[in-house]
Amino acid sequence: QKEVEQNSGPLSVPEGAIASLNCTYSDRGSQSFFWYRQYSGKSPELIMSIYSNGDKEDGRFTAQLNKASQYVSLLIRDSQPSDSATYLCAVPSNAGNNRKLIWGLGTSLAVNP
Amino acid sequence: NAGVTQTPKFQVLKTGQSMTLQCAQDMNHNSMYWYRQDPGMGLRLIYYSASEGTTDKGEVPNGYNVSRLNKREFSLRLESAAPSQTSVYFCASSEAAEVSPLHFGNGTRLTVT
Repeated sequence: QKEVEQNSGPLSVPEGAIASLNCTYSDRGSQSFFWYRQYSGKSPELIMSIYSNGDKEDGRFTAQLNKASQYVSLLIRDSQPSDSATYLCAVPSNAGNNRKLIWGLGTSLAVNP
Repeated sequence: NAGVTQTPKFQVLKTGQSMTLQCAQDMNHNSMYWYRQDPGMGLRLIYYSASEGTTDKGEVPNGYNVSRLNKREFSLRLESAAPSQTSVYFCASSEAAEVSPLHFGNGTRLTVT
């Protein structure tokens, strides 16, 4: 059973701090990794995708991928109360098809003013 | 652009009743999906359509049917609703069935009593 695991949280950080969210996956063949944000009562929205080892930065968000250790993380710099949401990690299995997208249960982030 | 539009937003059914959830996307995406999201279970794929004219089962298809009416529209039908189908349903689309970001609709909150 291929899996994606995330700490459920809640992760609580003060405004302005760095929030670090982690995701581990079991399928060594996975090539693509996605972070979605889901506000309470809303639908998931894509915030980051990463395909190769290392860091990818987009504004205040940085995704970090380490395929050897099978983890992908999301750093949120200068955290804002508006970042309070659940962050979902999604990893396609090595089938390379969205049908085989495996979702983590999400980490709940609370940014305190 | 509206993106992915789902109707209705809320629905209450009695056990045994039927209903159809409608989904339409205006992004010219080839692939469309139906997910359900339950606390502690995460997002689970019900059915998907890799391209117009094709549909296939996902992880939890029992009790559901789908129709890919055209490239834009993908509907989900519950023939005889059961309390176990109480959930939040999301329609999503992606440019292709190969790994690519998903765009979600706003969801339908369904309660079966």
